[in-house]
Amino acid sequence: KQEVTQIPAALSVPEGENLVLNCSFTDSAIYNLQWFRQDPGKGLTSLLLIQSSQREQTSGRLNASLDKSSGRSTLYIAASQPGDSATYLCAVLINDMRFGAGTRLTVKP
Amino acid sequence: EAQVTQNPRYLITVTGKKLTVTCSQNMNHEYMSWYRQDPGLGLRQIYYSMNVEVTDKGDVPEGYKVSRKEKRNFPLILESPSPNQTSLYFCASSFRLGPYNEQFFGPGTRLTVL
Repeated sequence: KQEVTQIPAALSVPEGENLVLNCSFTDSAIYNLQWFRQDPGKGLTSLLLIQSSQREQTSGRLNASLDKSSGRSTLYIAASQPGDSATYLCAVLINDMRFGAGTRLTVKP
Repeated sequence: EAQVTQNPRYLITVTGKKLTVTCSQNMNHEYMSWYRQDPGLGLRQIYYSMNVEVTDKGDVPEGYKVSRKEKRNFPLILESPSPNQTSLYFCASSFRLGPYNEQFFGPGTRLTVL
């Protein structure tokens, strides 16, 4: 059974810092991996999708990498801003979508 | 605007009173699914549907029913709700199940069962 783990569970950084969020999964037979952002009490906003054949994807200040063989993905956020404060979720897709528990990020002004 | 919509957004009900949460997408997506999100447990899949008239159980299907009679709609039915079904529910869709297909989520339905 696919297990998805996110480390750390919570992270607090000062504004402007570059940071890395980690996601690991136990079964490498995935279709893709998707990173989401969730604001408190709100829905999920898709940030980046990495297909199983890809190594990384970039969107603005965000860069996500995927290493299927080791079962790892990282989300890199450059020059963090207070508006980046949210919970970040990674999810892997096989026949169903498995989510990690998320990393709660706080960026302090 | 391409979107997944859910109704109602908020619902307070009592044990045993049947309810339906609707989900609709306007993107002609084949794949749709339902999740519940609980503190400490994260998001867990309830049911999913590969296409019209094709549904299957996810991780936590007990106490729920679904139907997929039309491509755009995927309602979640609680025949006899219980307090342990108090949760935040999300509907999601994608064009198909595959490496290229991004999942789009609805805004969520917060359900309280007293």
